[in-house]
Formats: sequence, structure tokens, C-alpha cells
Amino acid sequence: DTEVTQTPKHLVMGMTNKKSLKCEQHMGHRAMYWYKQKAKKPPELMFVYSYEKLSINESVPSRFSPECPNSSLLNLHLHALQPEDSALYLCASSREGRGGHEQFFGPGTRLTVL
Amino acid sequence: AQRVTQPEKLLSVFKGAPVELKCNYSYSGSPELFWYVQYSRQRLQLLLRHISRESIKGFTADLNKGETSFHLKKPFAQEEDSAMYYCALRGPSNTGKLIFGQGTTLQVKP
Repeated sequence: DTEVTQTPKHLVMGMTNKKSLKCEQHMGHRAMYWYKQKAKKPPELMFVYSYEKLSINESVPSRFSPECPNSSLLNLHLHALQPEDSALYLCASSREGRGGHEQFFGPGTRLTVL
Repeated sequence: AQRVTQPEKLLSVFKGAPVELKCNYSYSGSPELFWYVQYSRQRLQLLLRHISRESIKGFTADLNKGETSFHLKKPFAQEEDSAMYYCALRGPSNTGKLIFGQGTTLQVKP
């Protein structure tokens, strides 16, 4: 399996809802990433997990809460989001978090916050 | 400061014409640079990286440290090359952070 998968593909939620995004890879990669991408803009890094430990948090608001239950899974828990949080959320993985290893991207979850 | 600049939002060429997508970077250390491509309705994927010096789908990119550039070139554009192209710079070596440019949409007309 050489792909990063993400579920759900689309998510619509209200500002009071709690939801989670899921990401999975079975390539044996030890670094996993969450990015946020607005339309026609580049991905913006949110979090990096390296060997299941959070290594980078790019000053993301606490309404986004990442979790890495094991080396293959990465979750992003969402709570009390704002309409401006609507975006494509991308997960990526790489062999390691150090150096210039290729990052493999998932197809993304299209999130709409009403 | 670490920064990647892609000066063109849109580049439109005819099929068979040469293509050059510009990328300039600002980085104090030894840079590692990448080109990622996003075709319509497909996921973001690596096109090439400067350390491998490969040619992928006819595209090449040479790192010019003097001009701090990593321009992407192809001698003869094809319609299937139409996509969004992002130049990216690896951040600090102890992280996997990528710093992306704003992207250039390449449109190849028949």
C-alpha cells in the first residue's frame, strides 16, 4: 500500500459540533503531517508528528487538536470551529521527519463550517 | 527568513512551446528544493527534487545558488501538463517542514 488515505472526503459541520478527520498510511513512515489549504493557495503546515510525538505546532488554535494513536494513524479533532476554518485539510507522511524526505499527500478532506 | 517566491500566478502557453516556471528562494543554510504538482482533482505529488537531478515527465530544474533560483523547465509543453505547480523549500534540517511558494497555474492550450 503506497497511498495516504483520508476520511471523510467531505465534511459539513456547525460551529458547535465536534468531529474528527482521519488519516492512515501503511508505508512504514514515521512522520505525519496536517496541512490546511485554502482555494488557489499553497498548503499551510499545521502539525508534524515524528515517531508518534508532536514535534511541530505552527501556532494552531486549540479548536484543532491532533492525535497520533500509532505510527499508521493520525487524527485531527475539531471543536467549536469558525466559518473561516472551511478549507481542504491535507494529511501527508514521510519516511522520517528529519531531512528532505519526500512527503506523500492524501487526497484531503473538504471541510465546510456553517 | 526562509521564503519561496513564485512570481507568476498563471502561465499560459501553446502546446509544443517551451515552458519555464520561475522559483526564487531565500534561505541562509544549504537549501533543499522541490517541485510539487497538483493536477485537477488529484492529490499533491512530488514532481522532482534538486538533489536527484532527474528529469520527470520531461521537466528539469537546476538549482542556481548564485541567483537563488530553482526554475522548472520543459522544452515542449503538452496539454496534460496543465496543473498547479508549487516550488517548496525544506525548512530546518531537524524537521520535515516544507515552505511552499504561492504556486503557478500552468495552462497549456491546444
